Amino acid sequence: QVQLQESGPGLVKPSQTLSLTCTVSGDSISSGNNYWTWVRQHPEKGLEWIGYIHSSGNTYYNPSLKSRVSISLDTSKNQFSLTVTSVTAADTAVYFCARGGPIVQLRFDPWGQGTLVTVSS
Amino acid sequence: DIQMTQSPSSLSGSVGDRVTITCRASQTISNYLNWYQQKRGEAPKLLLFAASSLQSGVPSRFSGSGSGTDFTLTISSLQPEDFATYYCQQSYRIPYTFGQGTKLEIK
Repeated sequence: QVQLQESGPGLVKPSQTLSLTCTVSGDSISSGNNYWTWVRQHPEKGLEWIGYIHSSGNTYYNPSLKSRVSISLDTSKNQFSLTVTSVTAADTAVYFCARGGPIVQLRFDPWGQGTLVTVSS
Repeated sequence: DIQMTQSPSSLSGSVGDRVTITCRASQTISNYLNWYQQKRGEAPKLLLFAASSLQSGVPSRFSGSGSGTDFTLTISSLQPEDFATYYCQQSYRIPYTFGQGTKLEIK
């Protein structure tokens, strides 16, 4: 059974960098044709796709965030990470990691439980 | 970006009811449409992919249809555990986008 678990600081100051990690169990992030994904959900709002990284290391980002976002793999720990720079209150959200695939008829399953990140001084 | 619009935004139903949720894309997306269920405080759960394919383990009372720009999610007989928020999501083009959600409440 594949499981994902987000971890990272729950509070980040404005203008600083948000960093989250997703630990994957039951699947290898460096093999297969998977797209390791980050999605966020603003409080009481809908879902926003942030981006993903393919098992090969290729990345794809939402253009609305592209200049501030980076996703990377750590194959030694079977983890992938999200970095968002220059955060503002608008980045306050629950951040989910998920496995995406296959590229034809791509869907996200399973998801981590999510972690709330608050941007505040 | 492809805009996904769900209707209604909320609806109420009783156990045993048949309910339908609609999702419309701002441009054609063939059948690149997924449906998710999210309960309060939990992560979204994949219900259907490719508009009408049931994800493994999902009860058969859930079904989906549509192609092009108009899609529907139907629950044939509501069960207590079905009261949740439902989202559609297009996987036709990056950036992948979600509908705003439909909250299904108990009448």
